[in-house]
Amino acid sequence: KAGVTQTPRYLIKTRGQQVTLSCSPISGHRSVSWYQQTPGQGLQFLFEYFSETQRNKGNFPGRFSGRQFSNSRSEMNVSTLELGDSALYLCASSLEAGQRSYEQYFGPGTRLTVT
Amino acid sequence: KNQVEQSPQSLIILEGKNCTLQCNYTVSPFSNLRWYKQDTGRGPVSLTIMTFSENTKSNGRYTATLDADTKQSSLHITASQLSDSASYICVVISEGASGGSYIPTFGRGTSLIVHP
Repeated sequence: KAGVTQTPRYLIKTRGQQVTLSCSPISGHRSVSWYQQTPGQGLQFLFEYFSETQRNKGNFPGRFSGRQFSNSRSEMNVSTLELGDSALYLCASSLEAGQRSYEQYFGPGTRLTVT
Repeated sequence: KNQVEQSPQSLIILEGKNCTLQCNYTVSPFSNLRWYKQDTGRGPVSLTIMTFSENTKSNGRYTATLDADTKQSSLHITASQLSDSASYICVVISEGASGGSYIPTFGRGTSLIVHP
């Protein structure tokens, strides 16, 4: 069974631009969560989608948004990029709502650099 | 404010030795606690998930313990191997006031280096 895939793997953007990251979960998984990882803050939870609905949300500004499609694929969008948005963005999938007690499987991440 | 503290920040051990990593948390209300292993440049991989009623859970050479009363968890690695060199991250999931809402709080991780 194929794992979680994320595209693109690397991205360089300029301040003020917007970016869209994509995540394809493991086949059959209905929940997708997004995380930001930086050297300064470590891993931080962005949001979780389940059955096309946002179920949980972390403490990030409204510039960070996401959505989930009927095939469970998910996209994350960051508008008006800031230098501090440079990070590794990870997505994870699970069979059901992941944060409760279900196993989460992480993708390799998208490395975003904002210049 | 929910917090997860891990210690030590970094650890160097010789191959074949055992080690124990610590995780203290002040997350409430508690839902579950997870340990992840993250190799450099890769996504985290789940080692264990523990709920309130579980005291010990093993996954091969990895054994996690949970003391919900003192809000402490540990990850014990037995007979370490070179491939154990990685960052080990403790995550505590809290259950929100509205049913079905779960928010993870991450520790900063322990960087483990295993030398031959």
